[in-house]
Amino acid sequence: ETGVTQSPTHLIKTRGQQVTLRCSSQSGHNTVSWYQQALGQGPQFIFQYYREEENGRGNFPPRFSGLQFPNYSSELNVNALELDDSALYLCASSWGSSSTDTQYFGPGTRLTVL
Amino acid sequence: AQSVTQLGSHVSVSEGALVLLRCNYSSSVPPYLFWYVQYPNQGLQLLLKYTTGATLVKGINGFEAEFKKSETSFHLTKPSAHMSDAAEYFCAVSGSGGTSYGKLTFGQGTILTVHP
Repeated sequence: ETGVTQSPTHLIKTRGQQVTLRCSSQSGHNTVSWYQQALGQGPQFIFQYYREEENGRGNFPPRFSGLQFPNYSSELNVNALELDDSALYLCASSWGSSSTDTQYFGPGTRLTVL
Repeated sequence: AQSVTQLGSHVSVSEGALVLLRCNYSSSVPPYLFWYVQYPNQGLQLLLKYTTGATLVKGINGFEAEFKKSETSFHLTKPSAHMSDAAEYFCAVSGSGGTSYGKLTFGQGTILTVHP
């Protein structure tokens, strides 16, 4: 059984650019959640997708957007990058969108904004 | 609204000693509680979770945690630390309803160091 995978592993962008991060969910999982983990902090919830629909959003501006595809893989897009967007971006998949469903995390994408 | 406070950003123990990592939560609905571990340059791995039922929860690698509603706590313990336990530990809460449903809110993390 393949776990959650994310690509790329590392990424360097400059302020104002746009970035797309990708996530492949674990087999059989229909829900993907994205988190931002700044250095020295705990992960913060960005949004969740359940069966291709956004199913909840954290306190992030609209320039953070996402997609979920029919195979339940997902993308996180960030427009107009700011220096504070530098962080580890974690994707997690689960069997469903319930609070009791365990979220399985990928290794993350390290984004650096210069 | 929900929040998590982890007391102590760094905890240091000797190999073989008791590990105690503290977590207090705030939630407007009955909480579901989780402990995750993060090794350097890796994602998060679930150690254990409390949803309903028995308040003492056993997890992987010999860790356990006890849900105490009256103290709004969910402290993580392990009787005997091993060098391989050195990592960062995160406590998280998710709500049984409302806007917190399905969303994990994490604490700031506690870095555990194990000395030989």
